[in-house]
Amino acid sequence: EAQVTQNPRYLITVTGKKLTVTCSQNMNHEYMSWYRQDPGLGLRQIYYSMNVEVTDKGDVPEGYKVSRKEKRNFPLILESPSPNQTSLYFCASRTPGQINTEAFFGQGTRLTVV
Amino acid sequence: LAKTTQPISMDSYEGQEVNITCSHNNIATNDYITWYQQFPSQGPRFIIQGYKTKVTNEVASLFIPADRKSSTLSLPRVSLSDTAVYYCLVGEGTGGFKTIFGAGTRLFVKA
Repeated sequence: EAQVTQNPRYLITVTGKKLTVTCSQNMNHEYMSWYRQDPGLGLRQIYYSMNVEVTDKGDVPEGYKVSRKEKRNFPLILESPSPNQTSLYFCASRTPGQINTEAFFGQGTRLTVV
Repeated sequence: LAKTTQPISMDSYEGQEVNITCSHNNIATNDYITWYQQFPSQGPRFIIQGYKTKVTNEVASLFIPADRKSSTLSLPRVSLSDTAVYYCLVGEGTGGFKTIFGAGTRLFVKA
C-alpha cells in the first residue's frame, strides 16, 4: 500500500530537548516536504527536498533542520524546541511536475513543547 | 507562485450541490489548478486537478473559465462526511516543491 509514515504520532517534550520526527515513504517519490498546521493558518511549508541531498527552505524554516540522505526518508529535526513550535506537523511526498502528481500526506504528528 | 483567494467558510445541507470558488489572478501559463480535502487531524487528500474548461471525476467537478483567473470546485449532493477544509493550489513553484496551501475553505454540511 502506498503510504507516507510519520513517527511519532504524538509527542510531548520540554523546551530545549532535541527531537526528531521521522518520515518515510514507499512510493519512490523524489519530492518530500514538511508542513506545520496551526489553527486558522492552514498548512505552512517548513522545508522541502527535491531529491537526495537537495533541500530548501519553505516559508517557516526557523528552528527546524532536515536531511535527505536516502530517497525514502526525510526526518524533521528540532535542535532546541520552543513552545511556539507546538503544532500539528505533516510530511508529504510526490513525484515532480504538475500533471497527475498528487501529494501523499502522512497521518500527522501532534507536538507539544512545554 | 500564484496567490489564491477562497472564502473562509461555507455552510450547506445534505443533498445539496456545493460550489467553492478560488481566485488566482496571477496564474501562469503553465500552471495547473489542484484541489485538496482535509478532515480534522488528518493530512490533506487530493481531490481533482485541471488546466482549463471542465474536469470531472467520481468525487467532484472542476470548472475553469477561459481566462483561468478563477476556478470552481463543485461537490454534487454533499453528505455530512463532506464536512472538511478544501484547499485550492496553483502551480508547482519554480522547479521545486514550494507549495502554498493557504487557509482553505471550511465547509460545514448540516443534516
